[in-house]
Amino acid sequence: AQKITQTQPGMFVQEKEAVTLDCTYDTSDQSYGLFWYKQPSSGEMIFLIYQGSYDEQNATEGRYSLNFQKARKSANLVISASQLGDSAMYFCARLNTPLVFGKGTRLSVIA
Amino acid sequence: ETGVTQTPRHLVMGMTNKKSLKCEQHLGHNAMYWYKQSAKKPLELMFVYSLEERVENNSVPSRFSPECPNSSHLFLHLHTLQPEDSALYLCASSPQTSGHSTDTQYFGPGTRLTVL
Repeated sequence: AQKITQTQPGMFVQEKEAVTLDCTYDTSDQSYGLFWYKQPSSGEMIFLIYQGSYDEQNATEGRYSLNFQKARKSANLVISASQLGDSAMYFCARLNTPLVFGKGTRLSVIA
Repeated sequence: ETGVTQTPRHLVMGMTNKKSLKCEQHLGHNAMYWYKQSAKKPLELMFVYSLEERVENNSVPSRFSPECPNSSHLFLHLHTLQPEDSALYLCASSPQTSGHSTDTQYFGPGTRLTVL
């Protein structure tokens, strides 16, 4: 089965520092999409950023950016200037019907 | 109106009860999804509806019964559940299910279900 791997179960980062959350994926498809979602303790899954496999530029959305390396099949999320409110679970997901999620990384931002 | 709403937010039920989870989306999307999130397991897709037609059923036990009366509403009917069914149930919607990589799914806040 095609899958998503997030190797970091938990991460700590100092407030205002940048942090990279790793994601690798397994696919034989030529066209696919990669997503990152944030899940706070409240449970809601919040869409953060999307990267298409044919996009030439790495996706950016405010403080979130995606370090997409297609040949290595990795799509790492970079959060710049971490804030206390960034503490949450982060899930990487790949879409080619249906959406396949990784196990997530728990990020804790320390003041 | 928030994009995707779910009710109830919390539900405790016995194994012999019958209950329903409700999901409503205000985004004009054509596709809706039910996911199950258990502790320490990845999200599991349960059902996919596109234009009120079920297009995917991932080997979900029959004690879970989905219903999609229109493109804005999705229900999950529950009966004779087991304690291992306790989980967070998340609803999501997307513009379509064409498989195009731009079909971003937007999630509701989830229903935390406990089966006693």
